[in-house]
Amino acid sequence: KAGVTQTPRYLIKTRGQQVTLSCSPISGHRSVSWYQQTPGQGLQFLFEYFSETQRNKGNFPGRFSGRQFSNSRSEMNVSTLELGDSALYLCASSFSQGSVTGELFFGEGSRLTVL
Amino acid sequence: QKEVEQNSGPLSVPEGAIASLNCTYSDRGSQSFFWYRQYSGKSPELIMSIYSNGDKEDGRFTAQLNKASQYVSLLIRDSQPSDSATYLCAVFTGGFKTIFGAGTRLFVKA
Repeated sequence: KAGVTQTPRYLIKTRGQQVTLSCSPISGHRSVSWYQQTPGQGLQFLFEYFSETQRNKGNFPGRFSGRQFSNSRSEMNVSTLELGDSALYLCASSFSQGSVTGELFFGEGSRLTVL
Repeated sequence: QKEVEQNSGPLSVPEGAIASLNCTYSDRGSQSFFWYRQYSGKSPELIMSIYSNGDKEDGRFTAQLNKASQYVSLLIRDSQPSDSATYLCAVFTGGFKTIFGAGTRLFVKA
């Protein structure tokens, strides 16, 4: 069974640009969560999607957005990049049932560097 | 108060010893509890999940949950150098959000 696939793995952008990251979940998983990981803040929750609906959003500015497609693949977008957006962005999929999101399975992440 | 708190460590134990990792959480409505291991430069991987009070054992790992005290722990028996990693406590708080602690770095000395 294929794992969670994230693309691109590495990218370098400059301040003010925008970036789109992609995530393909494990087959059969309909829940996709996104996290930002930095050395100082650890893993910070960005948002969670299930069946194309955002069910929760973390405490990030509106520059961070996401969406989920009918095949459960998800994308996140960061507009007007700032130096502080440099981080590892992790996608995790889960076999969510009802009101419970279970175990998370992470992709290898997309490492974003903003210059 | 952080939602999920862990001692950042580092925690250093000799090979063969028991490593004890602790975590507290603030939301009493939390439903599910997890431990993830993250090696340097890698993404987190699930090692244990626990949903009800008590102990749950899986090989050398034992997770303990006490909802009254809002406390989760992970014991690693017969610690090996390959167990050296950062261990992340995670709590599903409801609202389809899993919150992670900052992680405890564990070093197992050969």
